[in-house]
Amino acid sequence: NAGVTQTPKFQVLKTGQSMTLQCAQDMNHNSMYWYRQDPGMGLRLIYYSASEGTTDKGEVPNGYNVSRLNKREFSLRLESAAPSQTSVYFCASSGGGSQLTQYFGPGTRLLVL
Amino acid sequence: SQQGEEDPQALSIQEGENATMNCSYKTSINNLQWYRQNSGRGLVHLILIRSNEREKHSGRLRVTLDTSKKSSSLLITASRAADTASYFCAPNTGNQFYFGTGTSLTVIP
Repeated sequence: NAGVTQTPKFQVLKTGQSMTLQCAQDMNHNSMYWYRQDPGMGLRLIYYSASEGTTDKGEVPNGYNVSRLNKREFSLRLESAAPSQTSVYFCASSGGGSQLTQYFGPGTRLLVL
Repeated sequence: SQQGEEDPQALSIQEGENATMNCSYKTSINNLQWYRQNSGRGLVHLILIRSNEREKHSGRLRVTLDTSKKSSSLLITASRAADTASYFCAPNTGNQFYFGTGTSLTVIP
């Protein structure tokens, strides 16, 4: 039981390049989330998916797109990376409904030059 | 913003002492959760307290919630060096969680 996995662990991009961050969970959770963590800013919600087939914007969605590929997988895409997107990205999942605990992945460190 | 705000930002104590962290928030909530983050790792859930609860215990952790003051506190008793981490509160309304910037706790052996 791997929990929440994220790939890659670390990535360096040049401004304007695109990339997709992958997230998968094996806990049969309904809800999945993408956060970014910046020094002094805490975790901020980018997008979430309350259930398979639905996605909603969080606090800081600009510059990102998401896909809930199936119940297990939730990907985050940067179409044209900017230095302001340098951050640590965390994926999380929860059962949804009354199952409120979030389980986090190990994070992806992204540097945009 | 509905973000939780932790206080203090940093706390340094001796092993065996108690550590208290506070969280304030601005809107009505369904529940409030506390998480821990070790350096370079993802967050780990510690405890959840619902809006109709006032106090909850889990091992060495004690959480209180005062919805009239929109505040919560996390007490770690008999701290250990392994408790060194950042601690975040996350007020919850519906599907979204609003994490604060965290309290960085250092426990000195």
